[in-house]
Amino acid sequence: DGGITQSPKYLFRKEGQNVTLSCEQNLNHDAMYWYRQDPGQGLRLIYYSQIVNDFQKGDIAEGYSVSREKKESFPLTVTSAQKNPTAFYLCASTKDRSNEKLFFGSGTQLSVL
Amino acid sequence: GESVGLHLPTLSVQEGDNSIINCAYSNSASDYFIWYKQESGKGPQFIIDIRSNMDKRQGQRVTVLLNKTVKHLSLQIAATQPGDSAVYFCAEKPSSASKIIFGSGTRLSIRP
Repeated sequence: DGGITQSPKYLFRKEGQNVTLSCEQNLNHDAMYWYRQDPGQGLRLIYYSQIVNDFQKGDIAEGYSVSREKKESFPLTVTSAQKNPTAFYLCASTKDRSNEKLFFGSGTQLSVL
Repeated sequence: GESVGLHLPTLSVQEGDNSIINCAYSNSASDYFIWYKQESGKGPQFIIDIRSNMDKRQGQRVTVLLNKTVKHLSLQIAATQPGDSAVYFCAEKPSSASKIIFGSGTRLSIRP
């Protein structure tokens, strides 16, 4: 089945540690996105990439980094500079650059130890 | 700034009744609207979308209504079932923007 796979499902970060969240898609979609979701709130865009080897900052990019070396992969690193990293992280993709009809992965819950 | 909001954060509906979830948007330049369903601990799932040149669109048990005059969007779910329990998000995309703006969501609970 085609889809978006996020791993791990749960992740714990120690203070001062960088952690990387994985996102892989086999939908052959051009664009990929990372969103952050806090309890009782909507989704906020962290980074997005419309083409391989290129990405743009979203609304809350500070403390995060991404790479897009392959079309199917868009990993997100939560750096130690992100002082409030506890949240539910969602990866999504769209077929093209139109950014319509997002397909989401199942999410990664990141917590701070 | 532009925002997508919801009239009610929580909606409780009797099983078998119809559910209506409302959403207000503020950007008159938005030309594409989407409804997503998110179950606990999962990613949002696409339900239905509508473009600004339409007033109504129907899917399987769901209908989206768009009133551009008052900038209002609604999702109607017919014969609500226990499996419909979730948080429902509306989202808009202004024609001038490259990203979708999400609302904060409405939690739908079903009474047996």
